[in-house]
Amino acid sequence: DIPMTQSPSSLSASVGDRVTITCRASQSISTYLNWYQHKPGKAPKLLIYAASSLQTGVPSSFSGSGSGTDFTLTISSLQPEDFATYYCQQSYSTPYTFGQGTKVEIK
Amino acid sequence: QLQLQESGPGLVKPSETLSLTCTVSGGSISSTSYYWGWIRQPPGKGLEWIGSIYYSGNTYYNPSLKSRITISVDTSKNQFSLKLSSVTAADTAVYYCARRKNPPNFDYWGQGTLVTVSS
Repeated sequence: DIPMTQSPSSLSASVGDRVTITCRASQSISTYLNWYQHKPGKAPKLLIYAASSLQTGVPSSFSGSGSGTDFTLTISSLQPEDFATYYCQQSYSTPYTFGQGTKVEIK
Repeated sequence: QLQLQESGPGLVKPSETLSLTCTVSGGSISSTSYYWGWIRQPPGKGLEWIGSIYYSGNTYYNPSLKSRITISVDTSKNQFSLKLSSVTAADTAVYYCARRKNPPNFDYWGQGTLVTVSS
């Protein structure tokens, strides 16, 4: 298995803030890294795949970067609908594994 | 618009088998471009990939659950299913079905269904 570690586990931010979440893999996973947004009672939503590709329909305020072991999800200007929990997931090898999540809360 | 919907009992007794079905609408489960998968989230915890299946029946499972899992597909009904045997309270979770595209990622998810293991 490839453990994935996200940081921080939670953060408080205001509307309009720039938010950065990091994800680290225990070994190199090239760019096989995806980001999801998850709101309570809803299905997780794919935001970014292959480390930096924006999923169709996702606002351009979301961006991803990184390769190897270190990855970043950035929200350039936080909107009210962006308050949620964010998960990274490696798809380099099975079993696919997720980070523990980063909860983005309203400051 | 592709939609996935999980169905099955919300309560399962310890040591019994959990059975869930995912019905796919708005697209064909027999597409050669996709795998179909199950992911779960125990209360207050993160996401765990359970396993995936291709329309041909080819499967791959999480080794941590492999001895207890069976994932199958019914192309005539556009459905795929999960069976998890010998369940315990640790298997209590929201279970999601999802579509896996390439490069591997899960781009469509069901709403999820809570399965509680309790006597």
